[in-house]
Amino acid sequence: GQQLNQSPQSMFIQEGEDVSMNCTSSSIFNTWLWYKQDPGEGPVLLIALYKAGELTSNGRLTAQFGITRKDSFLNISASIPSDVGIYFCAGQLGGNEKLTFGTGTRLTIIP
Amino acid sequence: DAGVIQSPRHEVTEMGQEVTLRCKPISGHNSLFWYRQTMMRGLELLIYFNNNVPIDDSGMPEDRFSAKMPNASFSTLKIQPSEPRDSAVYFCASSFGRGDTGELFFGEGSRLTVL
Repeated sequence: GQQLNQSPQSMFIQEGEDVSMNCTSSSIFNTWLWYKQDPGEGPVLLIALYKAGELTSNGRLTAQFGITRKDSFLNISASIPSDVGIYFCAGQLGGNEKLTFGTGTRLTIIP
Repeated sequence: DAGVIQSPRHEVTEMGQEVTLRCKPISGHNSLFWYRQTMMRGLELLIYFNNNVPIDDSGMPEDRFSAKMPNASFSTLKIQPSEPRDSAVYFCASSFGRGDTGELFFGEGSRLTVL
């Protein structure tokens, strides 16, 4: 089956630093999404990408849909304490297909 | 606006007992998803409904698991009998349409511990 591998698995950064994480797949997807999960909560959608090569921003977050359709990247600029959590990528092959979630990147901000 | 509501938030039970998890989707959403999250396997889709009809239950681990959606505003996930390996956080999510935009709205989850 399809697998989504995220890297890094975890990150320890200082407040104010920029963050980069990525997600790779063994097969193509036609939709890429990034979700964030706060402790004790369910995941929340951050950014959705629907076209290969697309670059989309949402405030301090920027995500790109890889041109090969097998990867995606998420960048967070000038991190703040509320950025702490687990970030999941998710891929969808077609409109009626289920989402496949990545393994997650846990972000911790060191005081 | 109310989000997806799940209950109970936490449940501790003994092996062999029946467990029922409940979900109320966002009003107007017509797709509902049940996910299970564990450290080892991450987020796994168990089953999803569209217009109260089960569309894909290929993720349901075994016959001990069953899910129903008797109407547009309520769904249950039942485990009978429960086993320790069922311990996980179970999330319900809903979306408008068939979820073809990929935007799912998750509840806060039900943390199940089976002793």
